[in-house]
Amino acid sequence: EAGVTQSPTHLIKTSAQQATLRCSPISGHTSVYWYQQALGLGLQFLLWYDEGEERNRGNFPPRFSGRQFPNYSSELNVNALELEDSALYLCASSYGGELVNYGYTFGSGTRLTVV
Amino acid sequence: AQTVTQSQPEMSVQEAETVTLSCTYDTSESDYYLFWYKQPPSRQMILVIRQEAYKQQNATENRFSVNFQKAAKSFSLKISDSQLGDAAMYFCAYRSAHNQGGKLIFGQGTELSVKP
Repeated sequence: EAGVTQSPTHLIKTSAQQATLRCSPISGHTSVYWYQQALGLGLQFLLWYDEGEERNRGNFPPRFSGRQFPNYSSELNVNALELEDSALYLCASSYGGELVNYGYTFGSGTRLTVV
Repeated sequence: AQTVTQSQPEMSVQEAETVTLSCTYDTSESDYYLFWYKQPPSRQMILVIRQEAYKQQNATENRFSVNFQKAAKSFSLKISDSQLGDAAMYFCAYRSAHNQGGKLIFGQGTELSVKP
């Protein structure tokens, strides 16, 4: 079974540019989660998508946005990049409903560097 | 709001010995789930063990076990017979059973090193 795949592995952008990160969930998973892991900090919840809808959002500015496609893959877009956005962005997927109680599976992340 | 605290930024253990990683959390809810995740240098977060708050019995997974103290809001991870491959960052995480779906709240992490 293929795991959660994220692309690209690394991404270098300059300030004010836009970044697009992609995530493909495990087959059968309908929920996708995005987390930001900045250096020296824990994981901060960004977004949760389920069945194509945004279900919950963390404490991040509106320039962090995303979407989920009919095949349940997801994009995270970060507009007007700032140096502080440099971080590892982790995507995770899970089954929907009560099955999420069993935890979810993470990808290996996209390392975004803003210079 | 719920919070998770890991008070040990770094821990070290001798190979084959036992080590315990601490985690405390704060919540007003009675129904929730707790997790320990491992993040090796490969960056991928790997689920180590999970615990349902309504279960009094501590979860175990091979060499990994937890000490869940609900009243004290404590959830420590014990690793027995430590192996070199256990070296990683370990994160404790909380998930509400209500309203917030699958959102996990993570602690700051404990970096575990294993000495041969």
